[in-house]
Order: sequence, then C-alpha cells, then structure tokens
Amino acid sequence: AQKITQTQPGMFVQEKEAVTLDCTYDTSDQSYGLFWYKQPSSGEMIFLIYQGSYDEQNATEGRYSLNFQKARKSANLVISASQLGDSAMYFCAMRLTGNQFYFGTGTSLTVIP
Amino acid sequence: ETGVTQTPRHLVMGMTNKKSLKCEQHLGHNAMYWYKQSAKKPLELMFVYNFKEQTENNSVPSRFSPECPNSSHLFLHLHTLQPEDSALYLCASSQGQGGQIHEQYFGPGTRLTVT
Repeated sequence: AQKITQTQPGMFVQEKEAVTLDCTYDTSDQSYGLFWYKQPSSGEMIFLIYQGSYDEQNATEGRYSLNFQKARKSANLVISASQLGDSAMYFCAMRLTGNQFYFGTGTSLTVIP
Repeated sequence: ETGVTQTPRHLVMGMTNKKSLKCEQHLGHNAMYWYKQSAKKPLELMFVYNFKEQTENNSVPSRFSPECPNSSHLFLHLHTLQPEDSALYLCASSQGQGGQIHEQYFGPGTRLTVT
C-alpha cells in the first residue's frame, strides 16, 4: 500500500506568488519524520525541510514551510514568493524508526515569469 | 555541493557487462543508501547500510550486489542487467540510527542505460 501520496502530478505558479504542494501519508507508527526534497532537472535530490511527528509547531526554513496536520495525516509544503529557480520536481518522504524511507511520486512545479 | 559524490554520472552497458557504481560521502554519516528512480514511479529503496552492516534489502534482484567497505564508501555492482533496470540510481547518506530520525543527503545520481 502506498504510504506517501502526492495527488498533484503538475502545478503552475506565478512568480512571486505562494504555492502549496499536497502530501498525505499513512502509518500507524507514533514516531516518524516527514521530509520534502527538491529535484531539479540535474537530478540531484536536495533536502528542503523536516517535520517530526512530535513537533508541535510547523517547520519553517526560509521560504519553505510545512503545514503539518497530524490528525489528517497531511504534510503540505508551502513555498512563498516563488522564484524561477523553484521550478523542479518536489518529493514528499516519510521515515519510520529504523531505516525505512518512503517517497511519493512527486509533483512537478513550474514557476511562470 | 552536498557532500555526497557518485561516479560515473552516466553509464551505458550491455546486458552481459559487469560494472560498478561508486558513492562516497564526506559528511561523517554512518548510514548509506541506494535508491532506484524510474520514470513516474516513487523512489525505490534498494539497500541500506548502517555502520557498514547491511540492514535492509528490499527484495532486490541478485544481479544488483552492494558493497560497503567503510562508512564513507558504498558500491553497487551490476551484472547481467535487464533493459528495465535502466533508471537513475541515487546514493544517499544520513546520520543517526534506531529511534533517531534524520534527513538524507543525496548524491547527483548515475543515469544507467541498459542496452
């Protein structure tokens, strides 16, 4: 069963606008971590932001914030003030205790000038 | 520069060839991973090493053989591959183990084409 679901294959956003990329997850574990990665066309996966399951506040890193709704099992990524360089694939991932990581199928974001 | 390097960046090989992918991390991490990324599919975790010991092997065919001589180096030995093995192979490393949860840092990947 899919543990990470990203329902938006592609998204468009106007430059300087904010955009939300959706992610839902499925686990019965109490302790887990949620991550977002960016993958430009060059192929390298770049770590963006992390949210622990016990963290009470939403994680923020610069223009990135994670909208964590534990009861709904969602961990949406919000990018504020989009830039052309934000155009890339974005992957949501979950790590359970131990070494099991699960990734979603990704969302392709295109920033329009 | 993420601190994780992979060589080669591109590889074309026939089905009867033997080749190896190399990954090196300069971050002092103690866990290393191999992933396969195919088009329109989630990243597939292949192998995990923690302190040089293999801790996960997610039903990967035996034509893929990992090797971890130390915490900084990871290899993926390839032999008698199939065309469906063509993909981007990503190496990653992370700190921590057990109940600790840390992010992974990825290398640039090796784009493998099997002809």
